[in-house]
Amino acid sequence: GAVVSQHPSRVICKSGTSVKIECRSLDFQATTMFWYRQFPKQSLMLMATSNEGSKATYEQGVEKDKFLINHASLTLSTLTVTSAHPEDSSFYICSAGPGLNNEQFFGPGTRLTVL
Amino acid sequence: AQSVTQLDSQVPVFEEAPVELRCNYSSSVSVYLFWYVQYPNQGLQLLLKYLSGSTLVESINGFEAEFNKSQTSFHLRKPSVHISDTAEYFCAVTRGGGSARQLTFGSGTQLTVLP
Repeated sequence: GAVVSQHPSRVICKSGTSVKIECRSLDFQATTMFWYRQFPKQSLMLMATSNEGSKATYEQGVEKDKFLINHASLTLSTLTVTSAHPEDSSFYICSAGPGLNNEQFFGPGTRLTVL
Repeated sequence: AQSVTQLDSQVPVFEEAPVELRCNYSSSVSVYLFWYVQYPNQGLQLLLKYLSGSTLVESINGFEAEFNKSQTSFHLRKPSVHISDTAEYFCAVTRGGGSARQLTFGSGTQLTVLP
């Protein structure tokens, strides 16, 4: 399957700072990228859907001014957590698609810890 | 809208025993169904998928799942589990079609294989 990378894999930051997470599709062009959030022992919750060259569509309850998503190219999407607080600590996972047969390919995730 | 129910949050089983992880979905349109596996602190890996055709799908490591439209189920089975199968398993559904669409995940089932 296709490869999707995320950087960084782990980040620890102070409360009030902003953190940028990158999601890259390494061997295919991803017209759509999805950002998920996963709390410990819980399932993945979709945060937003981004299509290359257009504004992201956020799920209900997700603050678009806090979680800035940019999908500037067919291989890169970024999620910026602005003014992070401890409650933003979570595992953030991106996926990219469509692949063959409408598949999505998942990145390895980024563990964010806000102190 | 679609929804996914994984009936068992935790399934402990002894090594070499058979296992079934249950998944039921609801949708008013045709769907694609997926099982993903997640190891600790890692992203999701696709285990198997049903898009169309044969209702029984298999993975390379011995898992299989059967799409049952009348019962709206997509249960995951393995006749003989190994310690290395210990992980979190997520069932997911997406609306069928020609472009990448968001996945709706179940709450996950923690499979623990005991020696």
